[in-house]
Amino acid sequence: DIQMTQSPASLSASLGETVTIECRASEDIYNGLAWYQQKPGKSPQLLIYNANSLHTGVPSRFSGSGSGTQYSLKINSLQSEDVASYFCQQYYNYPPWTFGGGTKLELK
Amino acid sequence: QVQLQQSGAELAKPGSSVKISCKASGYTFTSYYISWIKQTTGQGLEYIGYINTGSGGTNYNEKFKGKATLTVDKSSSTAFMQLSSLTPDDSAVYYCAREHLHYFDYWGQGVMVTVSS
Repeated sequence: DIQMTQSPASLSASLGETVTIECRASEDIYNGLAWYQQKPGKSPQLLIYNANSLHTGVPSRFSGSGSGTQYSLKINSLQSEDVASYFCQQYYNYPPWTFGGGTKLELK
Repeated sequence: QVQLQQSGAELAKPGSSVKISCKASGYTFTSYYISWIKQTTGQGLEYIGYINTGSGGTNYNEKFKGKATLTVDKSSSTAFMQLSSLTPDDSAVYYCAREHLHYFDYWGQGVMVTVSS
């Protein structure tokens, strides 16, 4: 299985700040990567697919980038509603699709 | 709008089985696979497998073979997952999700399964 390593595991940031979350794959996943946001008590919601494509309805302050084994999610101008956990998922190599361990984002 | 409505929380005894449902609406049910994902605090998110809602064909993560059985009822646009021979390690929140080109664009609200004697 491809291992997905996310960093940091937790993050504290101020309103208006820019935040970056990293995801490293154990082998090349050729941009087969999605990012999800999960607010407390809710199900995950798709933010980004194909490493850098924004899902319908997702605010433009979210962006994804990367290639090969290294990917990142950037949140510009952090808003209070962005407090959540964030997960990456690779879908290049099955079986199975695998997820990162998550990053918990809190307000400073 | 696309919705996946899952059944309610389950409390089950070790050794028993539970069957969770996932009713889809707002799109053509047979045009997308339904996948199932397990979430625990310790193990994070784990992919269980998917069902081809048109053919009923299934594919399982090796880890969940023998544990999960996926079925579908096209007439009601509902997917099901049965978990058998339950142990405390099966206690988790289980999500169904619509699989679109191998990522998950819509998720159900989740079902908490608690296995306890």
